[in-house]
Amino acid sequence: GESVGLHLPTLSVQEGDNSIINCAYSNSASDYFIWYKQESGKGPQFIIDIRSNMDKRQGQRVTVLLNKTVKHLSLQIAATQPGDSAVYFCAENFSGSARQLTFGSGTQLTVLP
Amino acid sequence: DTEVTQTPKHLVMGMTNKKSLKCEQHMGHRAMYWYKQKAKKPPELMFVYSYEKLSINESVPSRFSPECPNSSLLNLHLHALQPEDSALYLCASSQDHGAYYGYTFGSGTRLTVV
Repeated sequence: GESVGLHLPTLSVQEGDNSIINCAYSNSASDYFIWYKQESGKGPQFIIDIRSNMDKRQGQRVTVLLNKTVKHLSLQIAATQPGDSAVYFCAENFSGSARQLTFGSGTQLTVLP
Repeated sequence: DTEVTQTPKHLVMGMTNKKSLKCEQHMGHRAMYWYKQKAKKPPELMFVYSYEKLSINESVPSRFSPECPNSSLLNLHLHALQPEDSALYLCASSQDHGAYYGYTFGSGTRLTVV
């Protein structure tokens, strides 16, 4: 079936730099997207979401961009900190009678001192 | 209370054992979910409960039996599991199922089947 995927399995950035984590999705019926952060030994933590009628949404130090033309989603983290080190998952939620959240494969972000 | 609480945090069980995983939330959420997560993999949906009724079963083997006693509780009963069932089992909830709501996840139960 269709699934969400990520371009890079790992990403290393210097502390203080900006991070960009990418995600490709293939289900054109998806209308809601969420980024989750998962630290070791913990469950996924909601970071930010975006609906398909938007192309950009900002939170505190995070921005999500949605390009529906190429079915691409990205998460930008400004001034990356050591506490940002984690696995980041994008997830899509598509409309219809069987609405459910499907996760992408994840990117391991490592922040270097 | 903005948390989903899962117990136990760790569980080791033999293949002939019967055990249960518990999940609780007091956010008034009407949809609850069970996910299974293997190491270095994304969570995979197992079951969805909406308004205390099972609405989605992702072809999960019958050795996993979910139960939703009330709107705040979700159980996963385990019986005759296999070693390959060892994984992190995550419970989540959302305000509703079928709308634009993010899911709140618990910290999971780390299950080892021996």
